[in-house]
Amino acid sequence: EIVLAQSPGTLSLSPGERATLSCRASQSVSTSYLAWYQQKPGQAPRLLIYGASSRATGIPDRFSGSGSGTDFTLTISRLEPEDFAVYYCQHCGDIKETFGQGTKVEI
Amino acid sequence: QVQLQESGPGLVKPSETLSLTCTVSGGSISSYYWSWIRQPPGKGLEWIGYIYYSGSTSYNPSLKSRVTISVDTSKNQFSLKLNSVTAADTAVYYCARRVEVGGYFYYMDVWGKGTTVSVSS
Repeated sequence: EIVLAQSPGTLSLSPGERATLSCRASQSVSTSYLAWYQQKPGQAPRLLIYGASSRATGIPDRFSGSGSGTDFTLTISRLEPEDFAVYYCQHCGDIKETFGQGTKVEI
Repeated sequence: QVQLQESGPGLVKPSETLSLTCTVSGGSISSYYWSWIRQPPGKGLEWIGYIYYSGSTSYNPSLKSRVTISVDTSKNQFSLKLNSVTAADTAVYYCARRVEVGGYFYYMDVWGKGTTVSVSS
């Protein structure tokens, strides 16, 4: 079973700053299977990144994903007020799919 | 565009069966996988399982003994049944479309708004 560990748990930043979120897998995973989601309070998650680095339709280019093997990163180049939310990585594409525990990006 | 809507009882008694339905509108249920995910209050996301439109399924091993996911293509709906529920099953339950692109990319691109289910006597 693949376990995804996200860090940090909470990231306190200001608008305009750069956010770097980490997702570490317990064993090597295919980049094809790694996705990132954003969730705001009271809302469903929204797909940001799939295939570790491909932006989903309509996602601003300030969001980027990278990584391979066991280490993956979501970067928000310049935080906008609407980017303060919880972010989850996901291993999607196996017979058992898992989510990381989430990183909260707060002001 | 495709939209998903969860429906079902908001309150279920302990030991009984939780039953939810997800209705797909704006597109066909065919040729896709369809997932259920839940989120306990104040916690993260937990994958429950998915079903292909043809009926094949995959479940979270931790829930497998209690979960059944089914599909009704004639109604463009898929459903979740979770039996023998306890307070630990209290959560927001989401349905989502699971996409496979060329057998290479996998992700959940369309989500329902979620429905809150509480387990209490």
